Amino acid sequence: DVKVTQSSRYLVKRTGEKVFLECVQDMDHENMFWYRQDPGLGLRLIYFSYDVKMKEKGDIPEGYSVSREKKERFSLILESASTNQTSMYLCASSRPLEDEQFFGPGTRLTVL
Amino acid sequence: AQKITQTQPGMFVQEKEAVTLDCTYDTSDPSYGLFWYKQPSSGEMIFLIYQGSYDQQNATEGRYSLNFQKARKSANLVISASQLGDSAMYFCAMTPTGYSSASKIIFGSGTRLSIRP
Repeated sequence: DVKVTQSSRYLVKRTGEKVFLECVQDMDHENMFWYRQDPGLGLRLIYFSYDVKMKEKGDIPEGYSVSREKKERFSLILESASTNQTSMYLCASSRPLEDEQFFGPGTRLTVL
Repeated sequence: AQKITQTQPGMFVQEKEAVTLDCTYDTSDPSYGLFWYKQPSSGEMIFLIYQGSYDQQNATEGRYSLNFQKARKSANLVISASQLGDSAMYFCAMTPTGYSSASKIIFGSGTRLSIRP
């Protein structure tokens, strides 16, 4: 069964902390994505990557960075967490030239 | 700019009834793909159905069908014979181009569907 996993389901951090959200996929997909989901706004793309060490900004990259050192792993980094980054974070992956994305279970991050 | 609009923030439907979830989109790209995803309370996003902009027939997957009206730029999801397990958040989504090396998906704001027993 294909799978995208995320390191934590729930995370609570303090303002100013550095936060790492990890995503791993076992489908050998080239493309990986990080979204945040907020009520009434749907999912918004933060960053995506189409290959190892490659990254592209999405629609709302401010305050975030990413790392893709291995094909199966895509990390989202909050350098200095702020309360407005409290949200649900979803990771996804896909094959090149195919539109369907497979999603992880999500990480609900609360920044106090 | 591409945009997806879901005008129904929430819906209540009786079990076994059919339900239509509305979705309209805006794009100037000649080629695009349209999706519906289901998100239960557990949080994972479940792919339901896909329609390509050049597909001649409406997509169907089991109890799900996509009512694609290209001229009206609408892509409504129809669920026949609704079940209690259909209670979830539903997102309409679009890729601006049909094929690309890393297709970005644009999501609507979602519709929360609740099925009454």
